[in-house]
Amino acid sequence: QYVLTQPPSASGTPGQRVTISCSGSSSNIGSNYVYWYQQLPGTAPKLLIYRNNQRPSGVPDRFSGSKSGTSASLAISGLRSEDEADYYCAACEDSLSGVVFGGGTKLTVL
Amino acid sequence: EVQVLESGGGLVQPGGSLRLSCAASGFTFSSYAINWVRQAPGKGLEWVSTISGSGGITYYADSVKGRFTISRDNSKNTVYLQVNSLRAEDTAVYYCAKDIVGALSGGLDVWGQGTTVTVS
Repeated sequence: QYVLTQPPSASGTPGQRVTISCSGSSSNIGSNYVYWYQQLPGTAPKLLIYRNNQRPSGVPDRFSGSKSGTSASLAISGLRSEDEADYYCAACEDSLSGVVFGGGTKLTVL
Repeated sequence: EVQVLESGGGLVQPGGSLRLSCAASGFTFSSYAINWVRQAPGKGLEWVSTISGSGGITYYADSVKGRFTISRDNSKNTVYLQVNSLRAEDTAVYYCAKDIVGALSGGLDVWGQGTTVTVS
């Protein structure tokens, strides 16, 4: 299945803070940058976080990323209805000379 | 505006071939790697292939190695993905995505709208 492990679902109420985890190994997250993508329904993915914790211009500071060892997390504060989407983590995988994605986490805003 | 636009998808029989194209504009094309990522119906993202900015280095997922070939023409700002020996499990939306650097990184900052490949 997927080399990077994410919870299949997460949820929160408007205004709440939610975190999504991404677990890997020494050959991917442990030795490479982590990236996070947001995919709104019916649209192409969008880069949300690059190089572990950097936000591209235009991404609200409500979104933040962190990495520790072989795991990473995406935090969304001040949850809004428009944040309802699928979120994916990704990293280079040294053993495959390629990129690996997590299976994705479907975020529901209650 | 920085953008990439895919084309070339379609319906093909098992064992058939297609050539997908990714036309780019709005940035210095040869300075950035280009990636293909696919998404099967109802499934997650799967990285397929990457070509470096110069075109000299290519990478493939094990699932497509030996069947898919990525190439680029920097004079035309276009990347190609030749997909051969197609299988039902190759059915997916294929996205072209610009990398944030000239080589493989995992950071894809500009995505196209995707082109659909159906193998049936």
